[in-house]
Amino acid sequence: AQSVTQLDSQVPVFEEAPVELRCNYSSSVSVYLFWYVQYPNQGLQLLLKYLSGSTLVESINGFEAEFNKSQTSFHLRKPSVHISDTAEYFCAARGDNDMRFGAGTRLTVKP
Amino acid sequence: NAGVTQTPKFRVLKTGQSMTLLCAQDMNHEYMYWYRQDPGMGLRLIHYSVGEGTTAKGEVPDGYNVSRLKKQNFLLGLESAAPSQTSVYFCASTGSYRTDTQYFGPGTRLTVL
Repeated sequence: AQSVTQLDSQVPVFEEAPVELRCNYSSSVSVYLFWYVQYPNQGLQLLLKYLSGSTLVESINGFEAEFNKSQTSFHLRKPSVHISDTAEYFCAARGDNDMRFGAGTRLTVKP
Repeated sequence: NAGVTQTPKFRVLKTGQSMTLLCAQDMNHEYMYWYRQDPGMGLRLIHYSVGEGTTAKGEVPDGYNVSRLKKQNFLLGLESAAPSQTSVYFCASTGSYRTDTQYFGPGTRLTVL
């Protein structure tokens, strides 16, 4: 079965600092990889996704993630975070029959 | 478009009571999903549907039943609620199984006493 591991449950950073949220997946088949963001008291929203092609994918608000097949990773990065990026971030992978989510990483951006 | 809506937003049940959560989407999506979200565990798939009249079990189906009588609606039922079912429940839909984005509802916070 597909499984997704997010290596950090909480990441506190100061505003304008860079951040990396780490995600590893396990699978022996092709996967489609996603990062979702959840703001307080809301549902999840897609941040970005990797389906095929370029291993570096970007979102409209400055996040990017790189698919690394050899390391089975899909880490999320942003060079300079804002207060408004405070949220919970979920890595997900779609396997043959279902979508599996990681446990989530709570990003807290401090002024 | 309203997207994905969920009813109710909050509910408190006593052990043994039953209830139904309603999910509705107006995007003509074929695929619909029910997840539960628990602290430190992310989202876990309860049941899903690949089209009107179809349902299938996900990762944690025990204690839940679902129905998809209409394409736009996906109902999640708890026949005899247990405290272990205290959770936040999210419904999602997508038009393409493998490659498309899942659109999530705002969630239902359920407490079972």
